[in-house]
Amino acid sequence: DAMVIQNPRYQVTQFGKPVTLSCSQTLNHNVMYWYQQKSSQAPKLLFHYYDKDFNNEADTPDNFQSRRPNTSFCFLDIRSPGLGDAAMYLCATSSGSISTDTQYFGPGTRLTVL
Amino acid sequence: RKEVEQDPGPFNVPEGATVAFNCTYSNSASQSFFWYRQDCRKEPKLLMSVYSSGNEDGRFTAQLNRASQYISLLIRDSKLSDSATYLCVVNMSSNSGYALNFGKGTSLLVTP
Repeated sequence: DAMVIQNPRYQVTQFGKPVTLSCSQTLNHNVMYWYQQKSSQAPKLLFHYYDKDFNNEADTPDNFQSRRPNTSFCFLDIRSPGLGDAAMYLCATSSGSISTDTQYFGPGTRLTVL
Repeated sequence: RKEVEQDPGPFNVPEGATVAFNCTYSNSASQSFFWYRQDCRKEPKLLMSVYSSGNEDGRFTAQLNRASQYISLLIRDSKLSDSATYLCVVNMSSNSGYALNFGKGTSLLVTP
């Protein structure tokens, strides 16, 4: 059974047209993360939520925003996608209780910007 | 200096071979260490955690040297299904939760 679900799996948008990516989890985990992974590169953390507390990475562009309306759902909003934002976007969750917690990743959303 | 650095790869090895991957990390405050596996166009999946005493899971052995800030992964008796990218991952406490820092990964191709 899928524990971290991302929708859509593939998203095509136009340059400058806002897009929202969705992540949901059935694990009741406290922490939800968004990573960006470009081809042949490591996943890069954009931001994460611990419950309702939002934590932005220092180098995450303002173009990227996130919302977490409840425990189960977290959204990634890209306000004005550029060609350089084409990537795989990975959502992950963890309980947040200890540092050795496993992070569970969703299957990712592959974003194409035309 | 990058936070997590790995062997550039790719590693092409025959089935049955033993292969080792190395990784160094820059932040001495790092708390936990992992190896993840990522198949082409798929999400990363936890392969194993890495403990100071070293740990083994079947054909896989992981070692950690905190003094040298060095992590290794040894795969014995390689199988075709081991072909993937292996990501060295280090985490440390952030404002809340424990964010992961990934290496770029080392690509392994096991050939018949």
